[in-house]
Amino acid sequence: GENVEQHPSTLSVQEGDSAVIKCTYSDSASNYFPWYKQELGKRPQLIIDIRSNVGEKKDQRIAVTLNKTAKHFSLHITETQPEDSAVYFCAASRNYNQGGKLIFGQGTELSVKP
Amino acid sequence: NAGVTQTPKFRILKIGQSMTLQCTQDMNHNYMYWYRQDPGMGLKLIYYSVGAGITDKGEVPNGYNVSRSTTEDFPLRLELAAPSQTSVYFCASSDPGQGNYGYTFGSGTRLTVV
Repeated sequence: GENVEQHPSTLSVQEGDSAVIKCTYSDSASNYFPWYKQELGKRPQLIIDIRSNVGEKKDQRIAVTLNKTAKHFSLHITETQPEDSAVYFCAASRNYNQGGKLIFGQGTELSVKP
Repeated sequence: NAGVTQTPKFRILKIGQSMTLQCTQDMNHNYMYWYRQDPGMGLKLIYYSVGAGITDKGEVPNGYNVSRSTTEDFPLRLELAAPSQTSVYFCASSDPGQGNYGYTFGSGTRLTVV
């Protein structure tokens, strides 16, 4: 079945450094790749997403890159701040426009040390 | 709009008991989903629905049932609760056709089976 693998499971960086989280997916028909941030005890919130016709997307300090050939996508956070500390999830979906379900990675716990 | 509302927020069940987790959305979204979240395991899809009267199994449907009689409501039923169903349950909705590409998550239900 469809599978999304996410690495690393934990990541600790100093404030101001960059953080990179990587995901691979198994379904070559996947065409939508969102990233969610979940703070402790809260619900997941969408922070950025990318569709398969785009290789890179940026939104201020966060960016996502997609390599369809390798079935690989990554989240990049620059100039990290303590409030970036949270669990981050990647996900993939085929036919998202028609209600295609999201398959999530296992999550990465990011800790930003002041 | 209230978004996605889940009740209850917390529940303790005894082994073998049954219960229904309620989920209601007021955004007129066609697509609704139930996920469970276990520590270090990400979000696993239990069931989903692409519209009233239509439901389908996700990655981990065993021990659960759903119904979708209206656009707004998507209850999740647990029959014969087992300790393995101890988890945090999230309901979500989406409707890319409305220009809303992300999932809107409810606040979650923390269930403990003892």
